[in-house]
Amino acid sequence: GAGVSQSPSNKVTEKGKDVELRCDPISGHTALYWYRQSLGQGLEFLIYFQGNSAPDKSGLPSDRFSAERTGGSVSTLTIQRTQQEDSAVYLCASSSGTGGLFQYFGAGTRLSVL
Amino acid sequence: AQRVTQPEKLLSVFKGAPVELKCNYSYSGSPELFWYVQYSRQRLQLLLRHISRESIKGFTADLNKGETSFHLKKPFAQEEDSAMYYCALSGSWGKLQFGAGTQVVVTP
Repeated sequence: GAGVSQSPSNKVTEKGKDVELRCDPISGHTALYWYRQSLGQGLEFLIYFQGNSAPDKSGLPSDRFSAERTGGSVSTLTIQRTQQEDSAVYLCASSSGTGGLFQYFGAGTRLSVL
Repeated sequence: AQRVTQPEKLLSVFKGAPVELKCNYSYSGSPELFWYVQYSRQRLQLLLRHISRESIKGFTADLNKGETSFHLKKPFAQEEDSAMYYCALSGSWGKLQFGAGTQVVVTP
């Protein structure tokens, strides 16, 4: 593929609803990262997947947030019972290895919780 | 604890003037440092990483371990340099910790 693809590009939801955000990394990239970009908090790390290893979930802000990566490729970030403070741009990035080298970012999903 | 500090939220410079974006970090090891840039309506992209010691689009950044700084510099700013710039530190497993970002506005 041409790059990291995220869908949807925009999502408007009502408070209390669940949302799923999707990320298609660059083919062959073993590392996948989720970040959140918000006005108040800047860019924050959420979760990291590397190959078949257990994900690093240390950045997830609450247990309403979860993510999975199926088949070592596509990843889905799920936010349950959304709150207004979840409104942000959710960014996905992929890399061919560890060390943060050349993390390629997707265009993001802008989530608005009303 | 690791931290990245960008003290300037906004930097306004004239075209042709030098520009310097400050970045200071704290990290209990050997850091890997990066500058990322986000142009208007575009995705975040890597500008520089300290390992490569390269110059991209006229920008350079030197890691100063004594001052724990990784300032980004360009001798002559261009209008197309107007963007949001993020300094980032790579800790364990490559996850990036970003500074708050500096918005650069280059006026003609």
